[in-house]
Amino acid sequence: GAGVSQSPSNKVTEKGKDVELRCDPISGHTALYWYRQSLGQGLEFLIYFQGNSAPDKSGLPSDRFSAERTGGSVSTLTIQRTQQEDSAVYLCASSLDYIAKNIQYFGAGTRLSVL
Amino acid sequence: KNEVEQSPQNLTAQEGEFITINCSYSVGISALHWLQQHPGGGIVSLFMLSSGKKKHGRLIATINIQEKHSSLHITASHPRDSAVYICAVSAWGAQKLVFGQGTRLTINP
Repeated sequence: GAGVSQSPSNKVTEKGKDVELRCDPISGHTALYWYRQSLGQGLEFLIYFQGNSAPDKSGLPSDRFSAERTGGSVSTLTIQRTQQEDSAVYLCASSLDYIAKNIQYFGAGTRLSVL
Repeated sequence: KNEVEQSPQNLTAQEGEFITINCSYSVGISALHWLQQHPGGGIVSLFMLSSGKKKHGRLIATINIQEKHSSLHITASHPRDSAVYICAVSAWGAQKLVFGQGTRLTINP
């Protein structure tokens, strides 16, 4: 596609349920990032995928959060046993290669609300 | 203290004014990014720079590596420039971005 696509755009779930958020990066982009933007807060890094290398998971806030990237393209961020503090906008971005040399293109985000 | 600090946090100006947003960082970096986020909208990358100065239309970004400081300037500001401007850095050896808290800019007609 022309840009980074995220789905769903909005997700409302009950506390304790699992959710899956999807990101489809720009074709040919080898680097993929997940970020979170909580209400009134800045952006925070969650996880980074680069080609076939092991992902950088250093930003994941707890072991309830996991992500995978299949076939070097589509990525899924999974949050298990959601909590109210997980409510945020989850943003995906991709870049042609590693971040120091290439700008990132952001998706529109998934707004997650945990009731 | 955050690794990336922006100032001011909020800025209101009249249409036509020259705008400056500042960003200071405390780590060695390989690149600095300026991002724009419109209310309810997505994030757009404005600039990526590792030295010197870049210009795109009415937007200018500068960086001083020795002083660990960058500025984003907007000339002849317009109400459509109203947005949150975010500074972010990629530290040496790291592939993730560290973000400033953002500057909320409002341009009144």
